[in-house]
Amino acid sequence: QVTLKESGPGILQPSQTLSLTCSFSGFSLSTSGMGVGWIRQPSGKGLEWLAHIWWDDDKRYNPALKSRLTISKNTSSNQVFLKIASVDTADTATYYCTRIEMYGNPFAYWGQGTLVTVSA
Amino acid sequence: DIVLTQSPASLAVSLGQRATISCRASQSVSTSNYGYIHWYQQKPGQPPKLLIKYASNLESGVPARFSGSGSGTDFTLNIHPVEEEDTATYYCQHNWEIPWTFGGGTKVEIK
Repeated sequence: QVTLKESGPGILQPSQTLSLTCSFSGFSLSTSGMGVGWIRQPSGKGLEWLAHIWWDDDKRYNPALKSRLTISKNTSSNQVFLKIASVDTADTATYYCTRIEMYGNPFAYWGQGTLVTVSA
Repeated sequence: DIVLTQSPASLAVSLGQRATISCRASQSVSTSNYGYIHWYQQKPGQPPKLLIKYASNLESGVPARFSGSGSGTDFTLNIHPVEEEDTATYYCQHNWEIPWTFGGGTKVEIK
């Protein structure tokens, strides 16, 4: 059974760095074709893909945010991490962790999301 | 970036009738074999749920009243017959190229 669970700080101040963790089970990121990444959704708004990391450590970023994003993984602990630098109120959103099996496939598995609020 | 334009933004459908949602891409997202458009359903407080993959392939466990079609730049999600539990927001999404993007969403309510 595939599960993903996000964790984050809940609230942070503008200009800080947001650190998110996705802990997953039911699959391994060492499996060829596997990828895990992040999508966010401001309250009442649409979905925005942020970044994905693949089994071979290939990383893909949304160009609109690329300068602020860093994605990484720890295969042995079944975790994927996302850092967003210099946050502001526009980064307030629910952040979802997702799994893709093979590039081109849809987001078949999602975590429940973690709400992050950026506020002074 | 490929822009996905969904229409309508919202619609109200009578129980048992058909709901039709359009997703238009700013450029082709199809090969001769596959349309790289996927459809999701999101209910309040929940993550999106995959319904249709590659334009017309029903995800395992999804009721057969959901169907998808289209190619090139024009794609459609149909729900027929609509049930009460189909009240939700529906999104299309492409992964033709980076960045992967989503449509703006269509909110479906049942009359």
